[in-house]
Formats: sequence, structure tokens, C-alpha cells
Amino acid sequence: QIHLLESGGGVVQPGKSLTLSCATSGFVFRTFGMHWVRQAPGQGLEWVAAIWVDGDKKYYSGSVEGRFTISRDDSRNTLYLQMNNLRVEDTAVYFCARGDFAIGAFDYWGPGSRVTVSS
Amino acid sequence: EIVLTQSPASLSLSPGDRATLSCRANQDIGSHLAWYRQKPGQSPTLLMYDATHRATGAPDRFSGSGSGTDFTLTIRSLEPEDFAVYYCQHRSTLFTFGPGTTVDV
Repeated sequence: QIHLLESGGGVVQPGKSLTLSCATSGFVFRTFGMHWVRQAPGQGLEWVAAIWVDGDKKYYSGSVEGRFTISRDDSRNTLYLQMNNLRVEDTAVYFCARGDFAIGAFDYWGPGSRVTVSS
Repeated sequence: EIVLTQSPASLSLSPGDRATLSCRANQDIGSHLAWYRQKPGQSPTLLMYDATHRATGAPDRFSGSGSGTDFTLTIRSLEPEDFAVYYCQHRSTLFTFGPGTTVDV
């Protein structure tokens, strides 16, 4: 059974940093691209970042590029999102999701980790 | 840049009703469209991909149609768990979601 579980969320002040983790199991992690998607309170879904197999390609939305870094540790089956210089507008639930490259969609999701940026 | 719009923003229906949800792209995206359902307090689940293909585990009351710029998700007969928010999504260089359609009672 496929599982994804995010951790590392919390309350942080503007300008500070936070790192999210996504532990996975039930599939061959190193053979899938992985993503972070977020959802601000009461709002829709926003794709944040993607990392391809082997980590050789990384992509970011314009709203986080230069501040967030996606990475992966295939030996630990874990995905990360390092978030620097956080802004109030980064407040959201952050989901990790497995990407199916062939169909360009997200076929498994974690339950999410809440990040609140507030002074 | 691909922009997706969804209509209506909300839909009030009853269990057993048929639901028709629309997603429109601002340029031709072929059949590269996926649909998700997000129940309250839960993460999204994939329903359809490539516009017309049902995802593994998605109930057969869900069907998708369309290509180019106009797409439709149809729910043949609403079950209680279908009262949720539905998002369309496209992948080009990056990934884009529509703003969502809420199906409520």
C-alpha cells in the first residue's frame, strides 16, 4: 500500500525558514518524480515545486522560486522542501504528491502539513 | 501560460442527481487534463487523467470528455461522498490547477 506522510510544519515568523519532509513507502521512490502542492486557508490548490527522478531537474512556481528548494533522498525514500524567507502569503497546508510522468498528474497524495507564517 | 477556468463555481444538487462540471483552458491543451475530488478536510484524489481515462480506484459513475480547450467531468448519480470540491489540472512545462467547483447539497 502506498503511503506519503508530511511532517515539519508549524508556526514561523516572516523571514524565517522551515523544512518540510515527506516520508514515503509502498512504491519504488527513486523511479518517480515528486511534487509539493499547497492550499492556503479556504483557497484552491497551487502547485509549488517538482523534482524529477535522480533529482536532476527541479521546477518551481514563480511565487516560490529563489526562496524554496525541493530535494530528495532516495536512500531514505523521502522528499524535502526547504522554505526560506517565508512570507505571510506562504501560509497553507503543504501536500506532497507522487507524479505520474506518463499522464502528467498526481496519483497519490499525503494528508498535508500545515505551515503558518505569522508575526 | 496556461490558465484554467472552471464553471460553475458552485453547484447545489441532491444525492442521485447528475452533475456536469466544466473546465476551460485559454489555449489548446490537447487531452492533457486531469480531474481531482477533494472531500472536506482531506487531500485531493485523482479521478480522471488524459481527459477521458478513469484513474485506478475511481468509481465508474465518473466520466470525462473534451479536448482542446473545453472539458467536462460528469458524475452520473451523486453519492454522499461526492459532495466535495473538484479541480481540473494541466501539465505543460509547469503545472496548473483550475480554481475549483464546489458540489454541495
